[in-house]
Amino acid sequence: GAVVSQHPSWVICKSGTSVKIECRSLDFQATTMFWYRQFPKQSLMLMATSNEGSKATYEQGVEKDKFLINHASLTLSTLTVTSAHPEDSSFYICSARAVGGQETQYFGPGTRLLVL
Amino acid sequence: QKEVEQDPGPLSVPEGAIVSLNCTYSNSAFQYFMWYRQYSRKGPELLMYTYSSGNKEDGRFTAQVDKSSKYISLFIRDSQPSDSATYLCAMRVLYNQGGKLIFGQGTELSVKP
Repeated sequence: GAVVSQHPSWVICKSGTSVKIECRSLDFQATTMFWYRQFPKQSLMLMATSNEGSKATYEQGVEKDKFLINHASLTLSTLTVTSAHPEDSSFYICSARAVGGQETQYFGPGTRLLVL
Repeated sequence: QKEVEQDPGPLSVPEGAIVSLNCTYSNSAFQYFMWYRQYSRKGPELLMYTYSSGNKEDGRFTAQVDKSSKYISLFIRDSQPSDSATYLCAMRVLYNQGGKLIFGQGTELSVKP
């Protein structure tokens, strides 16, 4: 149980294009999903908290117009990196917290983004 | 000072050794404590979850929480090469905005055959 998937697992795009990453909770409903960014050999950096049916809450320093988050249902959240630049290249990981479940998060496998 | 401090390692041990991983924290309001294992280029996997103080055991893994010292530990018995990964501690307060976790930096563990 508690499986979270992400799609795509990796993506290469040209500078200036937009990239959408999907995060799905496969066997549970998630009221809250989280988006993280991780650089090599560093810990996870929380970008935003996404609640179903409401606007995402962004961490300080994260541009909400650049990283668009939509949490359309209890099993799906999307992160769109708009007008991507090489400095946006990173490992993006989502996690989900189950409705009525334990107070913890289950992580997806991550999406590796490379912007050329 | 970071809210959660974790020695990044790397930590190298021989197969079969007992591994001790630790985190200290400064926020006395933290109530939930978790350990995640992350293999290279993968998402973190939940290993252990504890609420408040005490010990919890699951197979070769034991998690300890000492709230009086603001110190948590993860012990791995009979370590195996497959345990080689980065171990992240994480914690959160009882009530906060949607369950935000605060992570340690992660400790890179290598178990040599």
